[in-house]
Amino acid sequence: SAVISQKPSRDICQRGTSLTIQCQVDSQVTMMFWYRQQPGQSLTLIATANQGSEATYESGFVIDKFPISRPNLTFSTLTVSNMSPEDSSIYLCSAYGTGLTYEQYFGPGTRLTVT
Amino acid sequence: DAKTTQPNSMESNEEEPVHLPCNHSTISGTDYIHWYRQLPSQGPEYVIHGLTSNVNNRMASLAIAEDRKSSTLILHRATLRDAAVYYCILQNSGGSNYKLTFGKGTLLTVNP
Repeated sequence: SAVISQKPSRDICQRGTSLTIQCQVDSQVTMMFWYRQQPGQSLTLIATANQGSEATYESGFVIDKFPISRPNLTFSTLTVSNMSPEDSSIYLCSAYGTGLTYEQYFGPGTRLTVT
Repeated sequence: DAKTTQPNSMESNEEEPVHLPCNHSTISGTDYIHWYRQLPSQGPEYVIHGLTSNVNNRMASLAIAEDRKSSTLILHRATLRDAAVYYCILQNSGGSNYKLTFGKGTLLTVNP
């Protein structure tokens, strides 16, 4: 299994600013992902964080708005840039690829409120 | 990605079995059926997955129709802690694409 922690757990930010969310996994993993969950909605995949190369973004998400880093096999960051109130969401990190299991593990999420 | 259809909500009583249905009529031969659940204020957690045969683990059972166009997640004795949103997700086993596409899921309410 894998335990995932995220920092910060929540934040309130002003519009126009940026916030970087950190995701730490307690073991090396093959793949890491970032999701967004807007209030009362399901999860939407933002991007796949690739180790040592640029992230792969899903339709509707761009690198300038959501730059992602993954410097090693246990850590990734997501930055929400030039925030607006529409970016108020829970941002979740997930990881896949610990041993032989098919499970994807999720962090507790970062609750972001933009005022 | 092949789509899944689930009821928006279901209700159960504590200590009774719960059968959560999922339709996936466009499933391909290489799609695995995964179930995740999201407890309130938490990230999703893995429940169970299968390909063709029924599966059992400590959390639940997964019954897969013979034509694979539907499946049912079975909680044998619901507890209050099982109240969550349950997501049925198809994941293609081909290549290296392990991303999950979440639908709206089923909100399970468990009554004491």
